[in-house]
Amino acid sequence: SQQGEEDPQALSIQEGENATMNCSYKTSINNLQWYRQNSGRGLVHLILIRSNEREKHSGRLRVTLDTSKKSSSLLITASRAADTASYFCATSLRGAAGNKLTFGGGTRVLVKP
Amino acid sequence: KAGVTQTPRYLIKTRGQQVTLSCSPISGHRSVSWYQQTPGQGLQFLFEYFSETQRNKGNFPGRFSGRQFSNSRSEMNVSTLELGDSALYLCASSPQDRSSYEQYFGPGTRLTVT
Repeated sequence: SQQGEEDPQALSIQEGENATMNCSYKTSINNLQWYRQNSGRGLVHLILIRSNEREKHSGRLRVTLDTSKKSSSLLITASRAADTASYFCATSLRGAAGNKLTFGGGTRVLVKP
Repeated sequence: KAGVTQTPRYLIKTRGQQVTLSCSPISGHRSVSWYQQTPGQGLQFLFEYFSETQRNKGNFPGRFSGRQFSNSRSEMNVSTLELGDSALYLCASSPQDRSSYEQYFGPGTRLTVT
C-alpha cells in the first residue's frame, strides 16, 4: 500500500483563491517532498521539507510538516489557471538508503479562470 | 543543463513481447530511479541504480529488470508483457544516492500493451 494518502482527491477553485491539500503517511521519514504533474507528463519537484523542519516557503507555496501527526500540507496562494495539475506528496523513509520515494495518491487541482 | 530524457515517448506492444525503455539523466547525476504510474496503483517505485549498481528494488516481478551504464544512462526491460503493464514509466535522476536531494523526472514513456 502507498505510504502517503492525500486529501482531498480533487479540488476545484477559482483563480485567485488559495488551494490547500493534505498528505498523511504511516512511518517515520527522512523528508517529504511535493511534486506537480501536468496531464500525465513528468513530475516537477516543488519543495522538500526535512523531518526536523516544520514549515517551508517557496514563492506562492507553503508547506508544513507535523511529524507527531505524520502529516503535511501544501498551500498554494493566489492560484492561477497554470496551477491546474495533480499534486503528489512523496516520502523518503527514515533509515532507508538511496533515493526511493513512496508517493501518495495525489490531489487533482482545477483552477478555473 | 539538459533535462532528463526518455525514449521512446510512446510505445505499443503486444502481450508476450518484451520492451526496453531508455533514460538519460541530467549530466553529472549518478542516481537513476524508475517508477511505474497507473490509474489504479498510482506511482510505484521500480528500482534505483547508482554507479551501475542496483541500490533499491520495488515490489515488482522478475519480469522487470534494469541496468545502468558507465555514463549513468539507464535502461529498463520488461519481458513477457502483460496487459497490466500498460502504464506511464517515469525515470528520475539525482546527483547522489541520498534522499536529501530532489529528483528530476523525465517526461515518461507511455507503454500500451494490447
